[in-house]
Amino acid sequence: GAGVSQSPRYKVAKRGQDVALRCDPISGHVSLFWYQQALGQGPEFLTYFQNEAQLDKSGLPSDRFFAERPEGSVSTLKIQRTQQEDSAVYLCASSVQGLYNEQFFGPGTRLTVL
Amino acid sequence: QKEVEQNSGPLSVPEGAIASLNCTYSDRGSQSFFWYRQYSGKSPELIMFIYSNGDKEDGRFTAQLNKASQYVSLLIRDSQPSDSATYLCAVNSGGSNYKLTFGKGTLLTVNP
Repeated sequence: GAGVSQSPRYKVAKRGQDVALRCDPISGHVSLFWYQQALGQGPEFLTYFQNEAQLDKSGLPSDRFFAERPEGSVSTLKIQRTQQEDSAVYLCASSVQGLYNEQFFGPGTRLTVL
Repeated sequence: QKEVEQNSGPLSVPEGAIASLNCTYSDRGSQSFFWYRQYSGKSPELIMFIYSNGDKEDGRFTAQLNKASQYVSLLIRDSQPSDSATYLCAVNSGGSNYKLTFGKGTLLTVNP
């Protein structure tokens, strides 16, 4: 596709439910990133994949957050036992592997936990 | 101390004026610097990147980098109402060439 796509665009979950957010990066982009953006803040790094390898998960806020990219293309961010503080926009970005790493963002998934 | 600092604004300029957006960063090892534009309710859109000291121009946009002062700026010439958005400064950090740290963004309003 022409750009990064994400689904669903909006997700409402009851506290304690599990959710799965999907990201389809730009074709040919080796690197994939997940960010969390709270209202009025800049995006915060969550995790980074190079192909199927998760090379950095230092930004994941708790062990309830899990990300995978099993075939090196589509990625899924899973949040278990959602809490109200998980409410945010979850952004996926991809880039061509390179020294300077210009990242292009998808439209995001707005998660609301009631 | 926040690693990337921006004035939150709002910055208000008249149509046709030059808008100047500023950003400072704390990691002296940072090598790459990005400006993203984010319209309300939308995702960040990459508009400029700069890696070397000095100026980089692209159309109405000019990015300026001063690594000694740990300062990066974005100038928007002939500002248009369609430029009204939040501008996010992002810097690679943590000794990596992939992890971006973002500022909180500066809200720019261009008045017709």
